[in-house]
Amino acid sequence: QQPVQSPQAVILREGEDAVINCSSSKALYSVHWYRQKHGEAPVFLMILLKGGEQKGHEKISASFNEKKQQSSLYLTASQLSYSGTYFCGTEHGDYKLSFGAGTTVTVRA
Amino acid sequence: DAEITQSPRHKITETGRQVTLACHQTWNHNNMFWYRQDLGHGLRLIHYSYGVQDTNKGEVSDGYSVSRSNTEDLPLTLESAASSQTSVYFCASSGSPSGTNTGELFFGEGSRLTVL
Repeated sequence: QQPVQSPQAVILREGEDAVINCSSSKALYSVHWYRQKHGEAPVFLMILLKGGEQKGHEKISASFNEKKQQSSLYLTASQLSYSGTYFCGTEHGDYKLSFGAGTTVTVRA
Repeated sequence: DAEITQSPRHKITETGRQVTLACHQTWNHNNMFWYRQDLGHGLRLIHYSYGVQDTNKGEVSDGYSVSRSNTEDLPLTLESAASSQTSVYFCASSGSPSGTNTGELFFGEGSRLTVL
């Protein structure tokens, strides 16, 4: 079953922050986050394993609440290069991912 | 460098025809997946394989089939193409030659299929 992502879309000015949420109705083993630019393949950002680890890369970080079966992606001090569609992928210990419908992020100068 | 390639990148076909989309990876990954991407639905899993001779149905497998005769390839076949199968198809793989599985998916560039 696909996880639910929110919001569907967000528009930011450079330097602003945003949060993208992902929730699952099933117990999670891990959550992945990917970013896709228009006309390109999705690209891996990070993986979070159960245990509540928070990982980050530069100004993009994420958290994972295993109990609530939720993950959030934090875009801090957004840059133009952050524009794209963000997908969360949920995994239940079987190496296959179910993806949410995506969140389109537009960062304007 | 290791990579994952899909062919053809673009295809137009007619309703009822059989179509095969190729996926070839040189990562030596055990796990391979086919997804379709449609506006508003994100990426939906069609079929997947954990190794040679292993295939499994995903959430939208009706009208599709796959076979895994070696580690590198997982072709996706549409037995009788329908207009509802017009979509962008992504192949992906995961795993590592050392046997540990980080779970990270590596995607191909996608195949855009139009069924008229």
